[in-house]
Amino acid sequence: EAGVAQSPRYKIIEKRQSVAFWCNPISGHATLYWYQQILGQGPKLLIQFQNNGVVDDSQLPKDRFSAERLKGVDSTLKIQPAKLEDSAVYLCASSLLAGLETQYFGPGTRLLVL
Amino acid sequence: GENVEQHPSTLSVQEGDSAVIKCTYSDSASNYFPWYKQELGKRPQLIIDIRSNVGEKKDQRIAVTLNKTAKHFSLHITETQPEDSAVYFCAASVRGGGADGLTFGKGTHLIIQP
Repeated sequence: EAGVAQSPRYKIIEKRQSVAFWCNPISGHATLYWYQQILGQGPKLLIQFQNNGVVDDSQLPKDRFSAERLKGVDSTLKIQPAKLEDSAVYLCASSLLAGLETQYFGPGTRLLVL
Repeated sequence: GENVEQHPSTLSVQEGDSAVIKCTYSDSASNYFPWYKQELGKRPQLIIDIRSNVGEKKDQRIAVTLNKTAKHFSLHITETQPEDSAVYFCAASVRGGGADGLTFGKGTHLIIQP
């Protein structure tokens, strides 16, 4: 089966600019996660969706980050305005059902903020 | 919230020897403990997981042990091979309540010396 797809793979922007990332989960997967992985660290959960509803966004910096999954399939994560410390890999993951299934990760979007 | 500590940060072993990576967690409600392998520039990939109702799980050369009382779990790789070289992450989450995003350790860089 096809895996989790993400685009773009790489993005370079200047601080204070905005950027958006896109994720297409594995077909049929109801749960979608966005993680931020700073160089040399483990991924950190930003937000979890179940279908088109938010389950957990407690670690999302809501003053600059936003995410949506309007039709319960694809998702976008936006940063506006970006800061230098937002430089990281943004990983999308999906699972068939929350609480029961393995999380499968996409290839990630590598963001560099100058 | 959950906190996962992982040791060591770097582990170098001779090919054919065993490698052990250890993690501790803080939230006694955590009941799911996966291990992910991440090669340079690639996505994290699940290699083994264990649920809190099991003390040990083995899959060929890889095994995971869990001590719920002490709140620690370990990854054991036997007969290490060059392709085992990668960064390994432990993680923990609470399954069954809806919000099950993973909390990751900081990773262990495993180096297999030929």
